[in-house]
Amino acid sequence: DAKTTQPPSMDCAEGRAANLPCNHSTISGNEYVYWYRQIHSQGPQYIIHGLKNNETNEMASLIITEDRKSSTLILPHATLRDTAVYYCIVRVAYNDYKLSFGAGTTVTVRA
Amino acid sequence: GAGVSQSPSNKVTEKGKDVELRCDPISGHTALYWYRQSLGQGLEFLIYFQGNSAPDKSGLPSDRFSAERTGGSVSTLTIQRTQQEDSAVYLCASSPFSGEGETQYFGPGTRLLVL
Repeated sequence: DAKTTQPPSMDCAEGRAANLPCNHSTISGNEYVYWYRQIHSQGPQYIIHGLKNNETNEMASLIITEDRKSSTLILPHATLRDTAVYYCIVRVAYNDYKLSFGAGTTVTVRA
Repeated sequence: GAGVSQSPSNKVTEKGKDVELRCDPISGHTALYWYRQSLGQGLEFLIYFQGNSAPDKSGLPSDRFSAERTGGSVSTLTIQRTQQEDSAVYLCASSPFSGEGETQYFGPGTRLLVL
C-alpha cells in the first residue's frame, strides 16, 4: 500500500548535483511531501518538506510538479557524507504522526 | 542547537532482563515519539506523547513495553522480561507541535541486543 515510488538505488559523482525522483500519483490535497534520509547506523534525518511550492533549505531543494504527482529532491553538491538511504513520504501533517518509510533510494556518492 | 539525544547508544542484555531506554527531546518540543527499527526493516511506531494529553500507546507490541514522559520532557521506554525478538534499534523523535507542518526530528537511536 505504498503511497510513493522511488528508484531502489542511484550513484552520484562527488561535487555533482544529485536528483532523486519520487512518484506520488495518488497524493491528496492536504498531504505534504517529506524527505528524510538515513545514513548507515544513524537515526533518520529530516531534510525538507513541501505542499505545492518548491522549497529550498541549507541541505537541499524540493521541486514538486504542478499536478503534485511527483517530486524531485536535489542535493546541489553531493559529498561522500551524503551517501545514505533517502525516503520520500507523503502525509497529512496534522494527526498523521505515525511515520512509515518505504524502501527508499540508496544513494551512493562516489569520489 | 542540541538535537534529540538518546542513551545508552548500545545495550546488550540477557533474555528475561528489564531494560530502560532514555530520550531527551529537543528543548521546547511538546511532542515525543518512540519507534523501533529492526535490521533491514522499516520504522515501527510504538508510542506518542503530546503535551499533557493521554499518550497514544497503540503501537506497543506487548504489555512488556511501557513508556513514561516526566515533566513533559524526558521520556523512558521500559522493556520488561526482554526477548530476543526485542533486538532492534529504538528511535526517539520530537517535534515542536503536532499540527500542520510539524516535522519529527530523530535521535541517534539505542541499539538493543538481547542474547
